[in-house]
Amino acid sequence: EVQLLESGGGLVQPGGSLRLSCAASGFSFSDYAMTWVRQAPGKGLEWVSTLGETGVNTYYVDSVKGRFTISRDNSKNTLHLQMNSLRAEDTAIYYCAKDRRGNWKYVGTVDYWGQGTLVTVSS
Amino acid sequence: EIVLTQSPATLSLSPGERATLSCRASQSVSSFLAWYQQKPGQAPRLLIYDTSNRATGIPARFSGSGSGTDFTLTISSLEPEDFAVYYCHQRSNWPFSFGPGTKVDIK
Repeated sequence: EVQLLESGGGLVQPGGSLRLSCAASGFSFSDYAMTWVRQAPGKGLEWVSTLGETGVNTYYVDSVKGRFTISRDNSKNTLHLQMNSLRAEDTAIYYCAKDRRGNWKYVGTVDYWGQGTLVTVSS
Repeated sequence: EIVLTQSPATLSLSPGERATLSCRASQSVSSFLAWYQQKPGQAPRLLIYDTSNRATGIPARFSGSGSGTDFTLTISSLEPEDFAVYYCHQRSNWPFSFGPGTKVDIK
């Protein structure tokens, strides 16, 4: 059974930092791209960042470029999102999600999601 | 950037009725269109990928169709557990994007 468990969310002041983690199990983690999707309270979904299975290929939505860094540790089946210079508009539930295909060429459909971790940026 | 528009915003139906949800893209996404279901307090769940392929474990009452810029999710006969928000999503071009959602609620 695929399981994704996020951690690291919380309340942080504007300009602060947080590091989210996602512990994966139930599949061959190193074979799949992984993604962070966020959802502001009461709003829709936003694709934030994707990291290829080897850790080479990355994508960031423009609004987080230069502030967020996605990384993975395939030896520990863990995905991370380092978030710096946080803004009020980054407030959201952050979901970790597994890509359906195991090749960067076909990335973009996520088939399993964690339950999310809430990040609140407020003074 | 590809913008997805979903209609209607809210669909009020009774159990057993047929639901037809639409998603329109601002430019062609080929067949790279997926549908997700989200219930309150839960993570989204993949229903349909690449226009018409049901994800693992998804009942046959869910079907998808379309191509290019116009897509449809059909729920042939609504079950009580189907009342939720449905999002379409394109992976044709970065940035990958979601539609604003259609809420299917009980009439």
